[in-house]
Amino acid sequence: QKEVEQDPGPLSVPEGAIVSLNCTYSNSAFQYFMWYRQYSRKGPELLMYTYSSGNKEDGRFTAQVDKSSKYISLFIRDSQPSDSATYLCAMSSNTNAGKSTFGDGTTLTVKP
Amino acid sequence: DTEVTQTPKHLVMGMTNKKSLKCEQHMGHRAMYWYKQKAKKPPELMFVYSYEKLSINESVPSRFSPECPNSSLLNLHLHALQPEDSALYLCASSQATGAGNTIYFGEGSWLTVV
Repeated sequence: QKEVEQDPGPLSVPEGAIVSLNCTYSNSAFQYFMWYRQYSRKGPELLMYTYSSGNKEDGRFTAQVDKSSKYISLFIRDSQPSDSATYLCAMSSNTNAGKSTFGDGTTLTVKP
Repeated sequence: DTEVTQTPKHLVMGMTNKKSLKCEQHMGHRAMYWYKQKAKKPPELMFVYSYEKLSINESVPSRFSPECPNSSLLNLHLHALQPEDSALYLCASSQATGAGNTIYFGEGSWLTVV
């Protein structure tokens, strides 16, 4: 079983929809939780970063971490065609920042 | 635009060639990384440099040879690669290697081995 499981998708929604992207994990040592957005043929771009449990909001994006359930989510409000990309969750414990464990990614398409 | 710059963006090489991928960052970061990403898979860590010294090698074959000439530059020297090494190679940097440091990725170099 993988340490991080991400909803596989692909996900297709109409413009303006609320999108929910989710990951579960098994390693209780994870303390840092990230969401990256990766456009086709580009490098990943950090969207959201959360330490421990709780919610964090940035514009149309909200990240939620529930450590008791080992579950994290990224919500996108008022989705736009420009949000069409692959979204990767990533997590790390108190070790090297580069040794994050990534989910396999969810590909999102927002249709105009 | 990313502040981690990678060149070339695309590279095609034969199995007997020697080539290099280059990466540069001007954010004053002291940690730099190489990752490999295959299609529809997440990035896999290859090497970590901290203060210009190699701190992590994730059991990468010796046909990949990293080099950190200074705090802003990171190279990946390629020799005798195999077709299965074809992938997107991502350079990244962070302020330091400690947990919680944000990692910034470059746009990647697409490598095809023929």
